Amino acid sequence: NAGVTQTPKFQVLKTGQSMTLQCAQDMNHNSMYWYRQDPGMGLRLIYYSASEGTTDKGEVPNGYNVSRLNKREFSLRLESAAPSQTSVYFCASIWKSSYNEQFFGPGTRLTVL
Amino acid sequence: QQQVKQSPQSLIVQKGGISIINCAYENTAFDYFPWYQQFPGKGPALLIAIRPDVSEKKEGRFTISFNKSAKQFSLHIMDSQPGDSATYFCAATRGAGSYQLTFGKGTKLSVIP
Repeated sequence: NAGVTQTPKFQVLKTGQSMTLQCAQDMNHNSMYWYRQDPGMGLRLIYYSASEGTTDKGEVPNGYNVSRLNKREFSLRLESAAPSQTSVYFCASIWKSSYNEQFFGPGTRLTVL
Repeated sequence: QQQVKQSPQSLIVQKGGISIINCAYENTAFDYFPWYQQFPGKGPALLIAIRPDVSEKKEGRFTISFNKSAKQFSLHIMDSQPGDSATYFCAATRGAGSYQLTFGKGTKLSVIP
C-alpha cells in the first residue's frame, strides 16, 4: 500500500515552459487535492476533485489546470510556468468527507527560473 | 480573508518543556479541527483532531484544548522532545458536505536539548 505518490520529486523549469505533476493514490479515496506550500504562507489549495469526474477551484487556481483521470489519478498542469510558481506542491486524498484524515504525498519541489 | 489564524510563527522550546501553539477561527460553521505535523522534506500527516462537543482531547503527550465561545483552539506538547521538531498546522472544516480543510499558516517548532 503506497498511499499517495507524486512524480517527479524535483523539477527545474524555465519561464514559459509547461509541465504536468502526477499524483496517484491506492486507498480508494474519493476526493483528491493539490496544494502549494510557500514559506510563511502555509498550505494553499489550488484545485480539488470531490469525486471522479469533478474538479473545483481552490484558493489559488490561476496559472494551473487539473485533470481527474480516474479515481486513482489527479494531475496538475502548468501551461506556461512563471517564477511565482516556484513552490513545493503537495497532492492529498481523503475518503468521503473532510471529517476523515487527509493523506499527503511526499511533495514535488518546483523551481521556475 | 484568512479564516484560521495561527501563532506563533516559530517556537523554540527546551527539551522537557511545554510547547503551546494557538489557533483562532472565524467561521462558526466549522465543526472539526485537526492538527497536522510536517517533518522537513515530508508531506504533512494528521497528528490529532477534535470536535467542538468536547473541550479537550489528549493523545499521549499531545493535547488539544478547545474554547468554542472564544473560537480558539490550541495544541499543547508536554515533555517536548527534539524528535517533536517539525512544522505544525492547525486546520478547520465544516465536515459534512465539505471537501476542504482551511489551514493555518503553520508554526515551526524547534526543541533544543
